[in-house]
Amino acid sequence: DAGVIQSPRHEVTEMGQEVTLRCKPISGHDYLFWYRQTMMRGLELLIYFNNNVPIDDSGMPEDRFSAKMPNASFSTLKIQPSEPRDSAVYFCASKRLGGTEAFFGQGTRLTVV
Amino acid sequence: DQQVKQNSPSLSVQEGRISILNCDYTNSMFDYFLWYKKYPAEGPTFLISISSIKDKNEDGRFTVFLNKSAKHLSLHIVPSQPGDSAVYFCAASPFVNGNQFYFGTGTSLTVIP
Repeated sequence: DAGVIQSPRHEVTEMGQEVTLRCKPISGHDYLFWYRQTMMRGLELLIYFNNNVPIDDSGMPEDRFSAKMPNASFSTLKIQPSEPRDSAVYFCASKRLGGTEAFFGQGTRLTVV
Repeated sequence: DQQVKQNSPSLSVQEGRISILNCDYTNSMFDYFLWYKKYPAEGPTFLISISSIKDKNEDGRFTVFLNKSAKHLSLHIVPSQPGDSAVYFCAASPFVNGNQFYFGTGTSLTVIP
């Protein structure tokens, strides 16, 4: 399996613009997670899905953030409008039902200027 | 509020010596603990885990120790190798196959040849 695939790897955008991050989980995995990595807070869970349904979005920082999972092989994390403080590395991860660990993608480094 | 804490942002160790990475947690409901390793420009990868019913788990050069009464766990790497240089994240979950992983801020390990 190719693992969790994220795109783009790097994104530089201007403040106020819409940003969309994409993720393809490992085939057959039932859970998909979006994390954000910052120096101050480490890896923060933003939202996770089970069988394409959002289960817990309590980590989404603001209404500017939204996530969707239209099918089992694709998810998006959207920030609209983006702000400089959103600059971070965003990771997608997936896990199978009953699995004990999550598998991470390579991340998207977002820079908002 | 950070439920999993890694108080040492960085650690340097000579090749061949022991590396000890520490992690503290605050939530007594945590039942399963993991260590992830992250190289630059890559996603975190699972390294080793331990359930709360154990106090030690060993996998080759890597051993994780859990002290539930102190809410403390540590990762020992013996002997340390230059390829071990990476950021190590501690994570905790209320369940062995749970979906809520709480991560620390990471410790950057440098193994000096």
